[in-house]
This record gives sequence, C-alpha cells and structure tokens, in this order.
Amino acid sequence: EVQMVQSGAEVKKPGESLRISCKGSGYNFANWWIGWVRQMPGKGLEWMGLIYPGDSDARYSPSFQGHVAFSVDTSINTAYLQWSSLKASDTAMYFCARLYYYDSSKMFDSWGQGTLVTVSS
Amino acid sequence: SYVLTQPPSVSVAPGKTATITCGGYNIGTERVHWYQQKPGQAPVLVISYDRDRPSGISERIAGSKSGNTATLTVSRVEAGDEADYYCQVWDSGSDQLVFGGGTKLTVL
Repeated sequence: EVQMVQSGAEVKKPGESLRISCKGSGYNFANWWIGWVRQMPGKGLEWMGLIYPGDSDARYSPSFQGHVAFSVDTSINTAYLQWSSLKASDTAMYFCARLYYYDSSKMFDSWGQGTLVTVSS
Repeated sequence: SYVLTQPPSVSVAPGKTATITCGGYNIGTERVHWYQQKPGQAPVLVISYDRDRPSGISERIAGSKSGNTATLTVSRVEAGDEADYYCQVWDSGSDQLVFGGGTKLTVL
C-alpha cells in the first residue's frame, strides 16, 4: 500500500526558517515525482511544484518560485519543503502527494495527511 | 496560464443527483481528474482521466466530459458526500498542474 506520511504541525515566527517532510512508502520512492500543494485557511488547492527524487530535478510553479525550495533524501525515502524566511502569509496547510502520469497527463494518486504551518509573531 | 472554472457551491437533497461542472479553454483536449476533500482531511482522487474510478471509490461517483465542460456526477447523494470537490488538469503548454477553484457540495 502506497503511503505518504508528513511531519507534524509547526508554529513559527516571521523571519524564521522551516523544513517540513514527507515520507513515502510502499513503492519505489526514487522513481516517482512528488508534488507539493498549499491550502490557505478556507481556500482552495494551489499547486506549488514537483520534485523527482531520482535526480532531485525540481519544477516550481511561477507563484512559488524563489519563495520555497524542494529537496529529497532517497536514503530515507523523504521529500522536504523548506522556507528560509517565513512570512505570516505562509500560514497554511501543506500537502505532499505522489504524481502519477500516463498518456500526457498527470495527477496526484496518493496524498499525505497534511502539515499545518502557522506563522505568527 | 490555464484556468479551470467551477461553481463555488452546489446544494442537493439526499437521494438526488449532484452535478458539478468544470470549465476550461479546450478542456475537451485535456484529461480531467477530480478530487474529493472532506472537512479536515486530505484530498482523495475520485475520478481520473475524465471518467475512470480508482479502486474503492463509490460507483455513485461518475465523470464525463462534453465540449468545454467536464462534469462530476454524484448519484443518490448521502450526507457523507458533503465535501469540497476539485477538478484538475495538467497544462502541457506551460508544464503546470492546474486546480479548479473547488465546489462545496452541501446535502440539504
């Protein structure tokens, strides 16, 4: 069974750095793209980008390019989403998900439970 | 960038059929996927590639597409179907994954 398990909720102050994690299991972690999705309070889903664990190739949505960074550690089947300097507007739930692709289309077939990030002074 | 348009809300009585639409330019040429998100939970894929139901998803949920509109249909609606539903495509022109704004399904 494919599972994506994310790290726990975080409370941070503006300007602080943060890294949250997403551990995949039940499949060959290195061979499947992983995506990150933001959901601000009471709002919809926003695609942040993708990373390929096999070679750390990362693709960012233009809306998030330069504001976040993706990384992976294939030795422990874990992907990371990180910020160097948080803002209050980064307060949101963040989901990781495994990307499935076939026939020129792509979608998320398995999701993590989400990590709530709260940024407040 | 590619935009998917969904109605913000749909309301339906128990036992009736809910229809949620998703519009986009030339969506007929895109493969549309749908997710269900219940309050406090992660999204779940309920329809892939316009009309395919993943294992474990209720047969009461169906997807279709015609012209510039994709449609998610929930038949014989139950209280447990209350959720937000999102359509999604992969925009190969810009290499971006795009979500619709989401539709809140309310069971009256």
